[in-house]
Amino acid sequence: DTGVSQDPRHKITKRGQNVTFRCDPISEHNRLYWYRQTLGQGPEFLTYFQNEAQLEKSRLLSDRFSAERPKGSFSTLEIQRTEQGDSAMYLCASSFDSNNEQFFGPGTRLTVL
Amino acid sequence: GENVEQHPSTLSVQEGDSAVIKCTYSDSASNYFPWYKQELGKRPQLIIDIRSNVGEKKDQRIAVTLNKTAKHFSLHITETQPEDSAVYFCAASIEQFYFGTGTSLTVIP
Repeated sequence: DTGVSQDPRHKITKRGQNVTFRCDPISEHNRLYWYRQTLGQGPEFLTYFQNEAQLEKSRLLSDRFSAERPKGSFSTLEIQRTEQGDSAMYLCASSFDSNNEQFFGPGTRLTVL
Repeated sequence: GENVEQHPSTLSVQEGDSAVIKCTYSDSASNYFPWYKQELGKRPQLIIDIRSNVGEKKDQRIAVTLNKTAKHFSLHITETQPEDSAVYFCAASIEQFYFGTGTSLTVIP
């Protein structure tokens, strides 16, 4: 499968724990995006990378969230000290440059108890 | 930042009828407008897109129109089929996508 992949697909954690998600984009794509989606809403932009550089971070993203793309290939999204309000689907997408189709991964569903 | 509004939030049509979903955006710098379809439990998938230098684009039963002056764009689905039932999201893009809140389309057989 040469599409965008995410791991894990589901994560259940207790409030206060740290979690880390991984995204593997389509190999030739230089742009990688992270979104959060809650039930009945559209994907909400969190952050994006061009190659290994993180170019923008949503001001909705608290300091508990951090993302990396160390070699310009896969990316990780870490949430520290999780809260119940962090429960959502976390989607990753990749594209070749900006303003082109973004291909989405299957998402990681996070449940914080 | 960009603000995208989408309506209606739900839409039911009889099979064979047309469906229209409308979006407005706030930032005149937006220059790319994709539409995504998301079926229950699945990832969003692009169905059609339009760039700011084009007023209309059509792909079989799906068409999108863009009015840059009024800052709105619309999705038109003709001859709807039950498999068109899904949630549809519009987006406006400068460097990243800003999505609308979605329209849940139900096509009644």
